[in-house]
Amino acid sequence: NAGVTQTPKFRVLKTGQSMTLLCAQDMNHEYMYWYRQDPGMGLRLIHYSVGEGTTAKGEVPDGYNVSRLKKQNFLLGLESAAPSQTSVYFCASSHYSGQPKIQETQYFGPGTRLLVL
Amino acid sequence: RKEVEQDPGPFNVPEGATVAFNCTYSNSASQSFFWYRQDCRKEPKLLMSVYSSGNEDGRFTAQLNRASQYISLLIRDSKLSDSATYLCVVNTRTNAGKSTFGDGTTLTVKP
Repeated sequence: NAGVTQTPKFRVLKTGQSMTLLCAQDMNHEYMYWYRQDPGMGLRLIHYSVGEGTTAKGEVPDGYNVSRLKKQNFLLGLESAAPSQTSVYFCASSHYSGQPKIQETQYFGPGTRLLVL
Repeated sequence: RKEVEQDPGPFNVPEGATVAFNCTYSNSASQSFFWYRQDCRKEPKLLMSVYSSGNEDGRFTAQLNRASQYISLLIRDSKLSDSATYLCVVNTRTNAGKSTFGDGTTLTVKP
Protein backbone atom coordinates (compact mmCIF):
# COMPACT_ATOMS: atom_id res chain seq x y z
CA ASN A 1 0.00 0.00 0.00
CA ALA A 2 1.98 3.01 -1.31
CA GLY A 3 -0.60 5.64 -0.33
CA VAL A 4 -0.21 8.75 -2.49
CA THR A 5 2.70 8.94 -4.90
CA GLN A 6 3.82 11.82 -7.10
CA THR A 7 5.93 11.88 -10.25
CA PRO A 8 8.41 13.50 -10.77
CA LYS A 9 9.98 14.49 -7.44
CA PHE A 10 11.91 17.40 -8.92
CA ARG A 11 11.89 19.21 -12.26
CA VAL A 12 13.51 22.25 -13.82
CA LEU A 13 11.69 23.94 -16.68
CA LYS A 14 12.39 26.89 -18.91
CA THR A 15 9.79 29.61 -19.26
CA GLY A 16 7.19 28.56 -21.82
CA GLN A 17 7.77 24.82 -21.54
CA SER A 18 4.96 22.49 -20.63
CA MET A 19 4.81 19.53 -18.29
CA THR A 20 2.43 17.18 -16.52
CA LEU A 21 2.62 16.16 -12.88
CA LEU A 22 1.17 12.78 -12.04
CA CYS A 23 -0.50 11.85 -8.78
CA ALA A 24 -1.58 8.30 -8.01
CA GLN A 25 -3.38 6.87 -4.97
CA ASP A 26 -4.14 3.26 -4.12
CA MET A 27 -6.63 3.88 -1.29
CA ASN A 28 -9.73 4.00 -3.51
CA HIS A 29 -10.39 7.60 -2.44
CA GLU A 30 -13.06 9.60 -4.22
CA TYR A 31 -11.57 13.03 -3.61
CA MET A 32 -8.23 14.25 -4.92
CA TYR A 33 -6.52 17.63 -4.70
CA TRP A 34 -3.60 19.63 -6.06
CA TYR A 35 -2.00 22.29 -3.86
CA ARG A 36 0.99 24.55 -4.23
CA GLN A 37 3.12 25.80 -1.39
CA ASP A 38 5.52 28.69 -1.78
CA PRO A 39 8.42 29.22 0.67
CA GLY A 40 7.15 30.28 4.08
CA MET A 41 3.56 30.20 2.91
CA GLY A 42 0.53 28.04 3.47
CA LEU A 43 -1.05 25.55 1.09
CA ARG A 44 -3.15 26.97 -1.73
CA LEU A 45 -5.65 24.79 -3.57
CA ILE A 46 -5.18 24.77 -7.34
CA HIS A 47 -7.80 22.27 -8.54
CA TYR A 48 -9.63 19.37 -7.02
CA SER A 49 -11.84 16.44 -8.01
CA VAL A 50 -14.75 14.82 -6.18
CA GLY A 51 -14.84 11.80 -8.44
CA GLU A 52 -13.64 10.18 -11.65
CA GLY A 53 -14.31 12.42 -14.62
CA THR A 54 -15.01 15.53 -12.53
CA THR A 55 -12.76 18.48 -11.71
CA ALA A 56 -13.26 21.89 -10.14
CA LYS A 57 -11.25 25.06 -9.67
CA GLY A 58 -9.67 25.89 -6.38
CA GLU A 59 -8.19 29.11 -5.10
CA VAL A 60 -5.39 29.59 -7.67
CA PRO A 61 -6.35 27.71 -10.90
CA ASP A 62 -4.92 30.09 -13.52
CA GLY A 63 -2.14 28.62 -15.63
CA TYR A 64 -3.01 25.02 -14.69
CA ASN A 65 -5.26 22.31 -16.07
CA VAL A 66 -6.21 18.96 -14.58
CA SER A 67 -7.74 15.67 -15.58
CA ARG A 68 -9.15 12.72 -13.64
CA LEU A 69 -9.75 10.03 -16.25
CA LYS A 70 -9.19 7.23 -13.74
CA LYS A 71 -10.22 7.24 -10.11
CA GLN A 72 -6.72 6.55 -8.88
CA ASN A 73 -4.93 9.22 -10.95
CA PHE A 74 -5.06 13.01 -10.93
CA LEU A 75 -2.93 14.88 -13.45
CA LEU A 76 -1.84 18.51 -13.19
CA GLY A 77 -0.69 20.22 -16.38
CA LEU A 78 1.24 23.41 -16.94
CA GLU A 79 0.75 24.48 -20.53
CA SER A 80 3.28 27.33 -20.60
CA ALA A 81 5.38 27.48 -17.45
CA ALA A 82 6.18 30.85 -15.85
CA PRO A 83 8.71 31.69 -13.10
CA SER A 84 5.75 32.50 -10.82
CA GLN A 85 4.88 28.80 -10.92
CA THR A 86 8.12 27.88 -9.16
CA SER A 87 6.82 26.10 -6.08
CA VAL A 88 6.35 22.79 -4.31
CA TYR A 89 3.28 20.95 -5.55
CA PHE A 90 1.44 18.55 -3.25
CA CYS A 91 -1.23 16.10 -4.25
CA ALA A 92 -3.67 14.73 -1.68
CA SER A 93 -6.61 12.36 -1.55
CA SER A 94 -9.40 11.64 0.91
CA HIS A 95 -12.54 9.62 1.59
CA TYR A 96 -15.85 11.29 2.34
CA SER A 97 -18.62 10.48 4.76
CA GLY A 98 -22.10 11.55 5.67
CA GLN A 99 -24.87 13.13 3.66
CA PRO A 100 -24.31 15.75 2.42
CA LYS A 101 -20.81 14.46 1.88
CA ILE A 102 -17.90 15.90 3.77
CA GLN A 103 -14.32 14.91 3.23
CA GLU A 104 -12.32 13.11 5.87
CA THR A 105 -8.58 13.12 6.53
CA GLN A 106 -6.43 14.10 3.59
CA TYR A 107 -3.38 12.00 2.76
CA PHE A 108 -0.59 13.83 1.00
CA GLY A 109 2.04 12.76 -1.48
CA PRO A 110 5.70 13.66 -0.92
CA GLY A 111 5.57 16.67 -3.23
CA THR A 112 7.08 17.76 -6.53
CA ARG A 113 9.61 20.59 -6.45
CA LEU A 114 9.35 22.66 -9.62
CA LEU A 115 11.78 25.37 -10.65
CA VAL A 116 10.90 27.52 -13.65
CA LEU A 117 13.80 29.54 -15.05
CA ARG B 1 -10.37 38.17 6.62
CA LYS B 2 -9.13 34.63 6.04
CA GLU B 3 -11.51 31.75 6.66
CA VAL B 4 -9.00 30.06 8.94
CA GLU B 5 -6.46 32.10 10.88
CA GLN B 6 -3.48 31.00 12.92
CA ASP B 7 -0.78 32.87 14.79
CA PRO B 8 2.24 32.26 12.53
CA GLY B 9 4.71 32.41 15.42
CA PRO B 10 7.43 31.36 15.48
CA PHE B 11 7.10 29.86 18.92
CA ASN B 12 10.51 29.14 20.42
CA VAL B 13 10.30 27.06 23.59
CA PRO B 14 12.73 25.02 25.72
CA GLU B 15 12.43 21.27 25.98
CA GLY B 16 9.84 20.26 28.52
CA ALA B 17 7.73 23.38 28.07
CA THR B 18 4.00 23.42 27.48
CA VAL B 19 2.87 25.33 24.41
CA ALA B 20 -0.58 26.09 23.03
CA PHE B 21 -1.70 27.10 19.58
CA ASN B 22 -5.04 28.61 18.64
CA CYS B 23 -6.87 28.65 15.35
CA THR B 24 -10.00 30.65 14.57
CA TYR B 25 -12.46 29.94 11.76
CA SER B 26 -15.09 32.23 10.31
CA ASN B 27 -17.65 29.83 8.81
CA SER B 28 -20.17 28.78 11.46
CA ALA B 29 -21.25 25.87 9.22
CA SER B 30 -17.85 24.19 9.63
CA GLN B 31 -18.23 20.54 10.51
CA SER B 32 -14.92 18.83 11.08
CA PHE B 33 -11.56 20.00 12.31
CA PHE B 34 -8.03 18.68 12.23
CA TRP B 35 -4.48 19.48 13.20
CA TYR B 36 -1.76 18.50 10.73
CA ARG B 37 1.98 18.58 11.23
CA GLN B 38 4.41 19.59 8.49
CA ASP B 39 8.14 19.10 8.79
CA CYS B 40 10.49 21.26 6.75
CA ARG B 41 10.26 20.44 3.04
CA LYS B 42 7.95 17.49 3.70
CA GLU B 43 4.27 16.80 3.13
CA PRO B 44 1.66 17.59 5.80
CA LYS B 45 0.55 14.62 7.90
CA LEU B 46 -2.46 14.25 10.15
CA LEU B 47 -1.62 14.85 13.80
CA MET B 48 -5.10 14.49 15.22
CA SER B 49 -8.75 15.13 14.58
CA VAL B 50 -10.56 17.55 16.87
CA TYR B 51 -13.79 16.36 18.44
CA SER B 52 -16.48 18.43 20.13
CA SER B 53 -15.75 16.81 23.47
CA GLY B 54 -12.03 17.43 23.13
CA ASN B 55 -9.50 14.67 22.69
CA GLU B 56 -6.09 13.70 23.89
CA ASP B 57 -3.30 11.65 22.34
CA GLY B 58 -0.35 11.28 24.65
CA ARG B 59 1.20 14.73 25.13
CA PHE B 60 -1.19 16.36 22.66
CA THR B 61 -4.64 17.71 23.51
CA ALA B 62 -7.06 19.26 21.04
CA GLN B 63 -10.10 21.32 21.99
CA LEU B 64 -12.99 22.76 20.00
CA ASN B 65 -15.04 25.79 21.02
CA ARG B 66 -17.92 26.09 18.57
CA ALA B 67 -19.45 29.11 20.28
CA SER B 68 -16.27 31.15 19.84
CA GLN B 69 -15.29 29.35 16.63
CA TYR B 70 -11.80 28.33 17.54
CA ILE B 71 -9.80 25.18 18.03
CA SER B 72 -6.67 24.74 20.07
CA LEU B 73 -3.72 22.38 20.30
CA LEU B 74 -1.81 21.92 23.55
CA ILE B 75 1.56 20.20 23.59
CA ARG B 76 2.90 19.19 26.99
CA ASP B 77 6.50 18.27 27.83
CA SER B 78 7.80 19.49 24.45
CA LYS B 79 10.44 17.39 22.71
CA LEU B 80 13.03 18.48 20.16
CA SER B 81 11.20 16.27 17.67
CA ASP B 82 8.05 18.40 18.07
CA SER B 83 9.73 21.17 16.07
CA ALA B 84 7.56 21.59 12.98
CA THR B 85 4.80 23.70 11.50
CA TYR B 86 1.31 22.92 12.76
CA LEU B 87 -1.58 23.44 10.36
CA CYS B 88 -5.18 23.93 11.35
CA VAL B 89 -7.70 22.45 8.89
CA VAL B 90 -11.43 23.06 8.71
CA ASN B 91 -13.96 21.20 6.57
CA THR B 92 -17.38 22.60 5.73
CA ARG B 93 -20.18 20.69 4.02
CA THR B 94 -21.05 23.71 1.91
CA ASN B 95 -17.53 23.71 0.44
CA ALA B 96 -18.25 20.55 -1.57
CA GLY B 97 -15.05 18.66 -1.01
CA LYS B 98 -12.63 21.47 -0.18
CA SER B 99 -10.72 21.79 3.03
CA THR B 100 -9.55 25.13 4.31
CA PHE B 101 -5.99 25.19 5.65
CA GLY B 102 -4.53 27.77 7.96
CA ASP B 103 -1.09 29.10 7.06
CA GLY B 104 0.46 27.24 9.98
CA THR B 105 2.20 27.98 13.25
CA THR B 106 5.91 27.25 13.46
CA LEU B 107 7.27 25.67 16.63
CA THR B 108 10.94 25.34 17.48
CA VAL B 109 11.85 23.39 20.60
CA LYS B 110 15.36 24.10 21.85
CA PRO B 111 17.57 22.06 24.18
